[in-house]
Amino acid sequence: DAGVIQSPRHEVTEMGQEVTLRCKPISGHDYLFWYRQTMMRGLELLIYFNNNVPIDDSGMPEDRFSAKMPNASFSTLKIQPSEPRDSAVYFCASNSRDRAYEQYFGPGTRLTVT
Amino acid sequence: QQQVKQSPQSLIVQKGGISIINCAYENTAFDYFPWYQQFPGKGPALLIAIRPDVSEKKEGRFTISFNKSAKQFSLHIMDSQPGDSATYFCAASKLWGQNFVFGPGTRLSVLP
Repeated sequence: DAGVIQSPRHEVTEMGQEVTLRCKPISGHDYLFWYRQTMMRGLELLIYFNNNVPIDDSGMPEDRFSAKMPNASFSTLKIQPSEPRDSAVYFCASNSRDRAYEQYFGPGTRLTVT
Repeated sequence: QQQVKQSPQSLIVQKGGISIINCAYENTAFDYFPWYQQFPGKGPALLIAIRPDVSEKKEGRFTISFNKSAKQFSLHIMDSQPGDSATYFCAASKLWGQNFVFGPGTRLSVLP
């Protein structure tokens, strides 16, 4: 298996622009997670889906952030408009109910907002 | 109550030494405690995990010690190697495998 795939790996954008991060979970996994990692706040869970349905979005920082999972093999995290404080590494992770003890993380997207 | 505290923030150990990282939690509803290892430029990867019904779990050179009454757990890396140099995160979850709360991480450097 190719593992969790994220794109792009690096994104540099200007403040005010829309940013879309993409994730392809491992085939057969029915949970998908979006995390944000910064030096100041560590690794934060933003939102997670089960069978494409958002279960807990309490970690989404504000309305500028939105996430969708239109099908079992694709999810997006969108920031509109982006701000410099959104600069971070964003990770996608997935797991399955029968191996719920392990989340498999993607390589991350490093976002820089100038 | 959702926080997981982790110490030290950074740790330097000589090759062959023992690395010890400690974590503490408040929420007694947590019932799953994994440790994740992250190398630079990579996503975290599960290293070892424990449920609260056991006090210790060992996998190779890695051991988790769990103290339910103190609400503390720790990672011990025996015979530390330079390849163990990474950032280590403890975590806790109320639902087995879902909705993790991560500690702030410990950057471990093992000197050759």
